[in-house]
Amino acid sequence: QQQVKQSPQSLIVQKGGISIINCAYENTAFDYFPWYQQFPGKGPALLIAIRPDVSEKKEGRFTISFNKSAKQFSLHIMDSQPGDSATYFCAASFQTGANNLFFGTGTRLTVIP
Amino acid sequence: DAGITQSPRHKVTETGTPVTLRCHQTENHRYMYWYRQDPGHGLRLIHYSYGVKDTDKGEVSDGYSVSRSKTEDFLLTLESATSSQTSVYFCAISETSGNYGYTFGSGTRLTVV
Repeated sequence: QQQVKQSPQSLIVQKGGISIINCAYENTAFDYFPWYQQFPGKGPALLIAIRPDVSEKKEGRFTISFNKSAKQFSLHIMDSQPGDSATYFCAASFQTGANNLFFGTGTRLTVIP
Repeated sequence: DAGITQSPRHKVTETGTPVTLRCHQTENHRYMYWYRQDPGHGLRLIHYSYGVKDTDKGEVSDGYSVSRSKTEDFLLTLESATSSQTSVYFCAISETSGNYGYTFGSGTRLTVV
């Protein structure tokens, strides 16, 4: 059973536009929600993360919006650039335990110049 | 990726042959993980380690075994490779069990023919 559901599977955005990727979870015990960015031929890299005690976190052009009651969170990329073209994974985890990170299935983002 | 190296980067092998992939870290992190990445499935955990000689199964462990005899090395073995094990394999490391971000290697692309 997929612990974290991610959509869309792929996304095409014009340069300068806003890219939005959505994720949903069921387990209310999750307390850490990271996003990973993966370029072709590379491993995923931590992009930005949020804890459920805040509703929004912004780092540069990247913003996570978190809706605890709906058990949903999303990544917004403002002023999308061709260099943002990558695969994005949302994830959710518990604070304790070694096997505690669950990934969404990924979104391939293409930003058209 | 700083501190974590996977070898080989690419491998083609025949069905039924044993294959070993290596993950080497220089960060002295306690936790190490092996994932496979397949289209439509995202990242799925194969096995993980929470210390030297301490390992456990993940979501998709059938057909795989692991060993960790030193803190810095985590080996993934396919005892008898099958075409369904054609995938990209990623190793990840984490300093704490609280998951403040995994660091991933660059991956090994394995093709079983």
